[in-house]
Amino acid sequence: SQTIHQWPATLVQPVGSPLSLECTVEGTSNPNLYWYRQAAGRGLQLLFYSVGIGQISSEVPQNLSASRPQDRQFILSSKKLLLSDSGFYLCAWNNRFLKNTEAFFGQGTRLTVV
Amino acid sequence: GENVEQHPSTLSVQEGDSAVIKCTYSDSASNYFPWYKQELGKGPQLIIDIRSNVGEKKDQRIAVTLNKTAKHFSLHITETQPEDSAVYFCAADARNSGSARQLTFGSGTQLTVLP
Repeated sequence: SQTIHQWPATLVQPVGSPLSLECTVEGTSNPNLYWYRQAAGRGLQLLFYSVGIGQISSEVPQNLSASRPQDRQFILSSKKLLLSDSGFYLCAWNNRFLKNTEAFFGQGTRLTVV
Repeated sequence: GENVEQHPSTLSVQEGDSAVIKCTYSDSASNYFPWYKQELGKGPQLIIDIRSNVGEKKDQRIAVTLNKTAKHFSLHITETQPEDSAVYFCAADARNSGSARQLTFGSGTQLTVLP
């Protein structure tokens, strides 16, 4: 069966420090991968998506970047964190080759920038 | 691109009563509509979904209805229990700016079931 791992679960970082959040998927190949952020409210804001290794698309301009060095690995990064980067970050995947399929979410990373 | 609106943003019901959450979408090409439940501090999990060739789907106490003509769909939870308390998201699939299919989410509904 497929599983998605996301770490760390919580992170407290000072303003100006770098960030690296990692997400890996097991049990499937060639997934679409996504990074979402939940800020103070409950909405899910899509940050990045990737349809393949090295292919990253950004939905919103921001202080963050994403990379996909391997088929089932998706990394969210920042060179210098801002206070506004605080939030709950979620990685997700779905099957690229099937229409109308659900997205599977990781357990999330609670990032607090102080 | 797709726009999904969800109402209400908060909903409180007494245990045993029904809860209804409604969503509308803008892209007539969307044909897959999942609902997710998110408990505090966790990632969203799929609870039910519906495809455009079906008008209604039911799974025990949860049901979803879809009106493609009006472009709206709803989640119905009957006989609510305290463990139903969570944030619920609707979503619709659509093509993004890169022509890949992805889910667009509503803004979420905080459901509180009062004992």
